[in-house]
Amino acid sequence: AQTVTQSQPEMSVQEAETVTLSCTYDTSENNYYLFWYKQPPSRQMILVIRQEAYKQQNATENRFSVNFQKAAKSFSLKISDSQLGDTAMYFCAFTGAGNNRKLIWGLGTSLAVNP
Amino acid sequence: NAGVTQTPKFRILKIGQSMTLQCTQDMNHNYMYWYRQDPGMGLKLIYYSVGAGITDKGEVPNGYNVSRSTTEDFPLRLELAAPSQTSVYFCASSYSSGTWDTDTQYFGPGTRLTVL
Repeated sequence: AQTVTQSQPEMSVQEAETVTLSCTYDTSENNYYLFWYKQPPSRQMILVIRQEAYKQQNATENRFSVNFQKAAKSFSLKISDSQLGDTAMYFCAFTGAGNNRKLIWGLGTSLAVNP
Repeated sequence: NAGVTQTPKFRILKIGQSMTLQCTQDMNHNYMYWYRQDPGMGLKLIYYSVGAGITDKGEVPNGYNVSRSTTEDFPLRLELAAPSQTSVYFCASSYSSGTWDTDTQYFGPGTRLTVL
C-alpha cells in the first residue's frame, strides 16, 4: 500500500530562520508526483511546491525548496527566511500512476513561526 | 478566474436532514474531487470524477452521493446526516491530458459542516 508519513506533528521556528519539514513515502511505482500543501488558519489549501519523480533537480519556489531523495523515498521541505505568514499546517501528498491521480496525504506538520 | 468555489461556507444540520454541498470550477478542469478533513487529520477522499458523467468512490464514500452533469459542477449530497459527518469538506479540481504533465489539484475554500 502507498503511504505518506510526516514524522513531525509540530515544529516552531524563529522569524527569518530556516526550517525543514520531513516527509517519507512508500511506493513501488517509478512515475509519480509529490506535493507540499499549506493550510493556514483560514483553512484554505494552498499548493506550495511540487516535484516530478523523473526529475533529478530539486524543485524551488522562492523561499521554498525541496530535498527529493528518490532512493530513500524522502521529500523534505525547506523554508528559508521564515515569515509570520508561513504559520500553517503543512501537508505532504503523493500521487502515482496507479492512483488514477488520487492524492495520498500525510497527517500534516503544524508549523509556528515566532516573532 | 474564480478558481474553485464552494457553497455554503458553514452549515449546521440536524441528524437525519439532507443537504447538497455545491462546488464549481471555472478552469475547465476535467478531474474533480471531494475530500473531508476531520479535526487534526489529513484529507480523506470521498468521491472523485474524471469527467462529466463519470464518478467513482474514494476512501470514505458511505453516506454520500455525487453527480457530474457538467464539467464545471460537482455537487456532493448528504442524504441522512449523522454526527460522524461533522467535518470540513473540500472540493478540488485538476487537469490531466493523459500525460504526467499537469496533476496539481486546486482547492476550494471549504465548507464547515456540523451535524447535531
